[in-house]
Amino acid sequence: DADVTQTPRNRITKTGKRIMLECSQTKGHDRMYWYRQDPGLGLRLIYYSFDVKDINKGEISDGYSVSRQAQAKFSLSLESAIPNQTALYFCATSATGLAANTGELFFGEGSRLTVL
Amino acid sequence: AQTVTQSQPEMSVQEAETVTLSCTYDTSESDYYLFWYKQPPSRQMILVIRQEAYKQQNATENRFSVNFQKAAKSFSLKISDSQLGDAAMYFCASSDSNYQLIWGAGTKLIIKP
Repeated sequence: DADVTQTPRNRITKTGKRIMLECSQTKGHDRMYWYRQDPGLGLRLIYYSFDVKDINKGEISDGYSVSRQAQAKFSLSLESAIPNQTALYFCATSATGLAANTGELFFGEGSRLTVL
Repeated sequence: AQTVTQSQPEMSVQEAETVTLSCTYDTSESDYYLFWYKQPPSRQMILVIRQEAYKQQNATENRFSVNFQKAAKSFSLKISDSQLGDAAMYFCASSDSNYQLIWGAGTKLIIKP
């Protein structure tokens, strides 16, 4: 089983619908992230969470919200989806602690979202 | 603000040949990490290699090695004996003071059989 699991893998929805992308991890990491990938733009950070009570906006948080339900679970919501939110979304985790602090990310397999 | 630049949107190489992917970065941090990630058509991001900035020795992982030039803020990836399975998008990234990654736009690597 994957260490970082995202659901759904693919989703097609219509403008105005509410969408939730879910992420769970078995790595025991405190830090979790949601990224968006668009062609030619690399990865852009939407939200990140350093622990259950600590949630922070990334560079492109408008139109998105998140919930950290537990150390292992971090979900991303689009309250009212719009076509320019069509993208590949990644959840990632990273470790903390003296020996582990490098920034290395461990990724899920991605959720491809299409908004019509 | 920190930036990471990959100036080659696409590169191609003959199978079994060597290819180098370029990356430059801009940081004010004194201690940081640099990464190359691979994204094959399966789309999952996979760590290829990691370099600690305070180490002068270039990191190597089997056929993958880096040329880390700290003063020039350059971090290129060399792939030796290219294989068809190396075809992917390659992303360069650097960590900031909070150990968060700043990403380049990626380089698409094509392997010609």
